Amino acid sequence: DSGVTQTPKHLITATGQRVTLRCSPRSGDLSVYWYQQSLDQGLQFLIQYYNGEERAKGNILERFSAQQFPDLHSELNLSSLELGDSALYFCASNAGTPTDTQYFGPGTRLTVL
Amino acid sequence: QQPVQSPQAVILREGEDAVINCSSSKALYSVHWYRQKHGEAPVFLMILLKGGEQKGHEKISASFNEKKQQSSLYLTASQLSYSGTYFCGTDRANDYKLSFGAGTTVTVRA
Repeated sequence: DSGVTQTPKHLITATGQRVTLRCSPRSGDLSVYWYQQSLDQGLQFLIQYYNGEERAKGNILERFSAQQFPDLHSELNLSSLELGDSALYFCASNAGTPTDTQYFGPGTRLTVL
Repeated sequence: QQPVQSPQAVILREGEDAVINCSSSKALYSVHWYRQKHGEAPVFLMILLKGGEQKGHEKISASFNEKKQQSSLYLTASQLSYSGTYFCGTDRANDYKLSFGAGTTVTVRA
């Protein structure tokens, strides 16, 4: 158990819908990272937050957005969902420097029908 | 730009050794290694930094050749628990954006 929690574990929804994935980092960690893992794209970095502020952006679509709240939990919002958005979404946390270990949560499996 | 991992897959018997390679066409600041078992989250194994510093588990060894922009992960005296998919993540600018390779699937058989 990494100490990072993610909810829900599974999510099944239809194309065109909007969903919110939630992540709580390990106690003491200020930084949260979001990743998407799909069969064809592999593990892709989406976005990073540090203490409430966006710090780095990767291959995140405009239909996706994220935020980190004052209590340090983070939410990833996915809208206008497409079949290709079906994937495992992982959240990871660390203290905030690039060379700190990132601890991954169990992931949310999103299925878009 | 994604690093290239090789081999794609390897099958070992318990006690055998294997090497997994991770190569980049661009200069790297650090290389991160993770192992993921089916249906689970990636688990940290090791970070190798430019300049030779390493942070990781004692039982896992790895190297980072800065001239070749290549890292290798050494699985020694493999155990059944070593089975899983190994990913390298590369950081080019010490900037938080890891690019992951496609993974190497390791199967250890009794």
